[in-house]
Amino acid sequence: AQKITQTQPGMFVQEKEAVTLDCTYDTSDQSYGLFWYKQPSSGEMIFLIYQGSYDEQNATEGRYSLNFQKARKSANLVISASQLGDSAMYFCAMRFKTGNQFYFGTGTSLTVIP
Amino acid sequence: GAVVSQHPSRVICKSGTSVKIECRSLDFQATTMFWYRQFPKKSLMLMATSNEGSKATYEQGVEKDKFLINHASLTLSTLTVTSAHPEDSSFYICSARDPSANAPGTDTQYFGPGTRLTVL
Repeated sequence: AQKITQTQPGMFVQEKEAVTLDCTYDTSDQSYGLFWYKQPSSGEMIFLIYQGSYDEQNATEGRYSLNFQKARKSANLVISASQLGDSAMYFCAMRFKTGNQFYFGTGTSLTVIP
Repeated sequence: GAVVSQHPSRVICKSGTSVKIECRSLDFQATTMFWYRQFPKKSLMLMATSNEGSKATYEQGVEKDKFLINHASLTLSTLTVTSAHPEDSSFYICSARDPSANAPGTDTQYFGPGTRLTVL
């Protein structure tokens, strides 16, 4: 069975500091994709960053980077220079080649403190 | 990134009535769309996979006769909640796969803004 785990239900970070949101996964598949989405209070899901299981380099998108450790099956999201607008729910998700579905973690609520 | 719209954004209806929610991909063709349900402070639960021109694939435990899905074109999928009851009140979100070569990983799902359904 495939499983995505986010162990931090809530996180706080000072504005302009960096923060790491944890995500671990469990799969026997070799080919898969890892995604992070941001969900502000408005409800929309905003795509942030993608990492393929065969990608050798960690993905980066602006202030977002993904710390991918395949052997440890972890795909942590790092947000640098936090801004007040970063306060939101963050979901880690995984897509397996064997199906179309995305499997989502339980989410982490991030609050940026001024 | 690709844009997915959803309409309506918010709907309140009486128990026993049916509600239709539309999901559109605005700048790409989506052969596959997905419908999710999200309870307050919970994660997204996949309800069904909508395939253009064929029947939807429902996840275990989702009543196909209650949640009717129609994917009539490459840019539109609809979810109809039939004979809605208060327990159907929830946040419904659709997403669409952008299979173009420009999409990261070609499997990225882009989400609509969601529809908040309240059944009285």
